[in-house]
Amino acid sequence: GENVEQHPSTLSVQEGDSAVIKCTYSDSASNYFPWYKQELGKRPQLIIDIRSNVGEKKDQRIAVTLNKTAKHFSLHITETQPEDSAVYFCAASRGGSARQLTFGSGTQLTVLP
Amino acid sequence: DTGVSQNPRHKITKRGQNVTFRCDPISEHNRLYWYRQTLGQGPEFLTYFQNEAQLEKSRLLSDRFSAERPKGSFSTLEIQRTEQGDSAMYLCASSPTVQANYNEQFFGPGTRLTVL
Repeated sequence: GENVEQHPSTLSVQEGDSAVIKCTYSDSASNYFPWYKQELGKRPQLIIDIRSNVGEKKDQRIAVTLNKTAKHFSLHITETQPEDSAVYFCAASRGGSARQLTFGSGTQLTVLP
Repeated sequence: DTGVSQNPRHKITKRGQNVTFRCDPISEHNRLYWYRQTLGQGPEFLTYFQNEAQLEKSRLLSDRFSAERPKGSFSTLEIQRTEQGDSAMYLCASSPTVQANYNEQFFGPGTRLTVL
């Protein structure tokens, strides 16, 4: 089955700096890669996703890049703000059939004011 | 609130008891997923329904676990003879099938289970 590894487990940045979180996956058939943000005690919420037919996607301060050959994808947050502090999870799935998501173990991002 | 809802939000039970959780997906979402999340970890897939049909089950779903979605709307997850290792947050998610981003799974707030 799919295995998703996520690094780093914790990340602290100064407000205004950029943050990068990296994930690798094992199943070459995976074709959908969402990123979820989970604030303490709250539900995971999708912040951005990418399908395997594109290499990069951007939404304001958030971008995701995908390298299918190397089987890794990354989340980039620019101009970080204190409200970006949360746990971020990457995930992968054979999304064509909208099947299960396999999640990474999460990254606790802390943005220091 | 038109999002995914789950009840109860918290459940404390004694080892060996049975518990049942309910998930109400977003209206007209025909896919429904159950995940389990333990502290410091990402959600782990348990099972998935399309309408009333249970299409996938994880090997994590032992024979003490059963899930149903009898009318293709709400779903229940039952755990029989609970063990302390069952303590976790149980998350439900739903997704539509006919939208540009049909893969997006919308999560509920979860049911936190504590087995004493």
